[in-house]
Amino acid sequence: DTGVSQNPRHKITKRGQNVTFRCDPISEHNRLYWYRQTLGQGPEFLTYFQNEAQLEKSRLLSDRFSAERPKGSFSTLEIQRTEQGDSAMYLCASSLVGPNEQFFGPGTRLTVL
Amino acid sequence: QKEVEQNSGPLSVPEGAIASLNCTYSDRGSQSFFWYRQYSGKSPELIMFIYSNGDKEDGRFTAQLNKASQYVSLLIRDSQPSDSATYLCAVNVRSQGNLIFGKGTKLSVKP
Repeated sequence: DTGVSQNPRHKITKRGQNVTFRCDPISEHNRLYWYRQTLGQGPEFLTYFQNEAQLEKSRLLSDRFSAERPKGSFSTLEIQRTEQGDSAMYLCASSLVGPNEQFFGPGTRLTVL
Repeated sequence: QKEVEQNSGPLSVPEGAIASLNCTYSDRGSQSFFWYRQYSGKSPELIMFIYSNGDKEDGRFTAQLNKASQYVSLLIRDSQPSDSATYLCAVNVRSQGNLIFGKGTKLSVKP
């Protein structure tokens, strides 16, 4: 257990529905990252926050994806109008500014039917 | 296009042997380098990081970095069946917060 928690651990939804995932980072970490991983691939970067500011977004992050970290603590990732191609493991990681050792949570596995 | 390349394997070694995992990266601005272990169905677990050229040892693990050749490797000594997993190489490029991952090398340690 790294100290990063994610909820839910599994989510099954129908195409077109909206889903929201939550990540709670290690408490003293001010950076929080979202990645997506599909079978046989390494994690792909989606976005990251430093405190409450969203500093970078990947081109993978379409308009249907939005992430927030309102008080610089937990973060949410919302996917609107889900598509079958969104099925993946969504990973959250956190780190300190400077050293970039990122520690991952257990992930949320999304299945879109 | 920033890329991190790894041989997908599977790499099979007998118990007690040295496993050698390799990774190359394309961006010369890469500053820090990480190895993660990922068991099937689980999330990546950080096992080593290295920032400077040379070797860094931690228990049975040694990370090696050669920035001139844009090459980083992970050696696992006295391999155990519990080391069987996918090993992901990740790179951080200067001024960016995110890590760029390779696809991983699947390691199988046979008893």
